[in-house]
Amino acid sequence: GDSVTQMEGPVTLSEEAFLTINCTYTATGYPSLFWYVQYPGEGLQLLLKATKADDKGSNKGFEATYRKETTSFHLEKGSVQVSDSAVYFCALTISGGYNKLIFGAGTRLAVHP
Amino acid sequence: DVKVTQSSRYLVKRTGEKVFLECVQDMDHENMFWYRQDPGLGLRLIYFSYDVKMKEKGDIPEGYSVSREKKERFSLILESASTNQTSMYLCASSHTTGTPSYNEQFFGPGTRLTVL
Repeated sequence: GDSVTQMEGPVTLSEEAFLTINCTYTATGYPSLFWYVQYPGEGLQLLLKATKADDKGSNKGFEATYRKETTSFHLEKGSVQVSDSAVYFCALTISGGYNKLIFGAGTRLAVHP
Repeated sequence: DVKVTQSSRYLVKRTGEKVFLECVQDMDHENMFWYRQDPGLGLRLIYFSYDVKMKEKGDIPEGYSVSREKKERFSLILESASTNQTSMYLCASSHTTGTPSYNEQFFGPGTRLTVL
């Protein structure tokens, strides 16, 4: 079945460091891919998304490119801030399937000054 | 601002109690979802609804039921709460257009349920 695998955390970085969180997927159809972020004590917010191969999603300095050949959607940011400390979830959905999301396990990011 | 609200942020119940978790959205979304979130497991879908009075089982429906009497409201019911249902519960909603540009799910803040 469809699934998402993301790198285990926690990831601990110093402020201004480069961030990569790996995400790979398995899907039988043509998925849309998402990164959601969960700040402490809050629900999930959409960070960015890509709906077809080679699309690049970007928001708040974060980027991810939909790579069909490697079935990946890795999240990157060039210079993280303390305020980026959160849990990041990679997810996919198949169009026409009531937009059900399939999530990865989540990666906790801690950024220190 | 689009909004999904959940009735409680924190809830403490005893084993065997009947528990109701309420979710309301103001975006006229057709789809609504209930997830539970546990460390290391991500979010797992319990039930979802694509229309009033319509429901579908998700990946882990055992021990839960749902009710959707109005389009904006989706309730999760624990008929007889057990300690293994201690978790964070998240509600979400989305349109059902099938157009990728409109398939984002919007989440509520979550309810942390503890069953003693």
